[in-house]
Amino acid sequence: ETGVTQTPRHLVMGMTNKKSLKCEQHLGHNAMYWYKQSAKKPLELMFVYNFKEQTENNSVPSRFSPECPNSSHLFLHLHTLQPEDSALYLCASSLTGIYGYTFGSGTRLTVV
Amino acid sequence: GIQVEQSPPDLILQEGANSTLRCNFSDSVNNLQWFHQNPWGQLINLFYIPSGTKQNGRLSATTVATERYSLLYISSSQTTDSGVYFCAVERRNRDDKIIFGKGTRLHILP
Repeated sequence: ETGVTQTPRHLVMGMTNKKSLKCEQHLGHNAMYWYKQSAKKPLELMFVYNFKEQTENNSVPSRFSPECPNSSHLFLHLHTLQPEDSALYLCASSLTGIYGYTFGSGTRLTVV
Repeated sequence: GIQVEQSPPDLILQEGANSTLRCNFSDSVNNLQWFHQNPWGQLINLFYIPSGTKQNGRLSATTVATERYSLLYISSSQTTDSGVYFCAVERRNRDDKIIFGKGTRLHILP
């Protein structure tokens, strides 16, 4: 365990479903991130939260909706996804000003 | 934006062999990390190494910040070393995110 926990580990959903991914860290970090990793592509940053405030949205479609209720928890709400959204979704956290990022194990999402 | 290039893109080695993975970056950085992504997708931090040399068991890393490159050495490879190795950097004008290279896919044959 790295200290960043993601659930579920695997998710299969239909295009009309609504689901949520969860990320939790108790490392005392103040920044949390969502990354998408598609097959044979570099890691793509999706969202950044700093002290619960969203500081970056990398032109992510509105069918992905992040939520950060506190510095320890981060959610990614999914609705009406497309098959091309199938990917590994990774959560990471860091402590601003002290470098180094810690990643969770990821959620492998399949949209059918 | 900053470019991060890793080489080689793919590497196949026999168990017991040594290897060197390279990461070049196009601008000054104030953080560099090496990660190993195992076949199950988990990204494990190997080294936080903005400069200098560090060693951890069979792995070591060296970053020469003035020449904008970093090297990851793996000695006496084991099959469990298989996976993708990513280099990631943070830019000098920090904006709270890291930039990843495309990775080196390492396959160790038994």
